[in-house]
This record gives sequence, C-alpha cells and structure tokens, in this order.
Amino acid sequence: ETGVTQSPTHLIKTRGQQVTLRCSSQSGHNTVSWYQQALGQGPQFIFQYYREEENGRGNFPPRFSGLQFPNYSSELNVNALELDDSALYLCASSLDAGDTQYFGPGTRLTVL
Amino acid sequence: AQSVTQLGSHVSVSEGALVLLRCNYSSSVPPYLFWYVQYPNQGLQLLLKYTSAATLVKGINGFEAEFKKSETSFHLTKPSAHMSDAAEYFCAVIHCSNYKLTFGKGTLLTVNP
Repeated sequence: ETGVTQSPTHLIKTRGQQVTLRCSSQSGHNTVSWYQQALGQGPQFIFQYYREEENGRGNFPPRFSGLQFPNYSSELNVNALELDDSALYLCASSLDAGDTQYFGPGTRLTVL
Repeated sequence: AQSVTQLGSHVSVSEGALVLLRCNYSSSVPPYLFWYVQYPNQGLQLLLKYTSAATLVKGINGFEAEFKKSETSFHLTKPSAHMSDAAEYFCAVIHCSNYKLTFGKGTLLTVNP
C-alpha cells in the first residue's frame, strides 16, 4: 500500500511568483488536508478537501487555493508569494473526513 | 475552541531513562487527541491516538499516553529512551466541526548517550 506522496521535495521561488504543490493521497482515502509548518512551529491548518469539495478552511488569505481531483489527489496553489510563505507544506490524507490523518513527507518552499 | 499546550519546548534525557512529554488540552466537547513524531527534514508520523475508548493508549515504538479528563492531560511516555527516539513530538486535537488538526508548538526530545 502506497502512503501519501508529495512533489516536489524542495523548490525555490521569488516574491510575487506563483507555486503549485501536489499531493497523492493514500489508496482508498477520499479526504486531503493541507498544513503549513513554519520553522520551529507546529503545523497550521490551511484547508481540507473532501470528495473534490472544500470542507473547511483555516486563517489563510484567498491567495492560498486548492483543488482535489476525481482520483482524490490534490493541489495547493499559492499566488503572489511573500517571504513569510517560506515553510514546509504538509499534505495529509484520511479515509474519510474526520478520520485519522496520515502525512506525506512535505514540500519545503523557500521564497527569496 | 479546542487547543493543546505542550509544556517544555525541549526535553533532554539519557539513553535508557524514562521519557515524559507533557500535553494539556482545552476542549468544550470530548476530544480526539493525537501524538505525532517528526524526524529531521521529514513529515509527521502518527504515534498514537485517543478516540474515547480506553484511556491508556499504546502506540508504536514503545510509546503510550494516558487520557486524564480530570487533569485535561494527554502526556506521552516511554519507559526507556533509545537514541532513535530523538525527534520533535507534536500533540494535536481534532475539531469536530471542520476536522482540522490543531497542533501544539512541539517538544524537541534529545537523547544523550
């Protein structure tokens, strides 16, 4: 059984650019949640997708957006990147909304 | 609102010693609680979870945690630390309204030989 995978592993962008991060959920899981983990902090909830619909959102501006596809993989898009967006972005999948969340290895984003 | 507080941002123990990482929760409803571990430059790995069944929960790698409602605590313990336990540990609570996990700030565990 394949776990949660994320791509890319690392990337570097400059202020004002746009970025897309990808996540493949664990087999059989229909829910994907995204978190931002700044250096030295705990992960912060960005949003959750359940069966291709947004199912909850944290305190992040609209320039953070997402998608979930029919195969339940997901994308996180961030527009107009700011320096403070530099962080580890974690994706977690669960069997259903509210079930235990299993995390991927993360994507390390650096904004210069 | 539900939240967790981890007491101690850094805990240092000797190899073979007891590990105790503290977590207190605040919740207006019976909480579901989790402990995750994060090794350097990696994602989060689930150690154990409490979902209102047995109050003593056993997890992977010899860790366990006890849910104490009277103390609003969910402390993580391991009888004998191993060098491979060195990592950051996060306590988390799940919100029933939107299923988001709210994490504590983490406790960095170092194990000395």
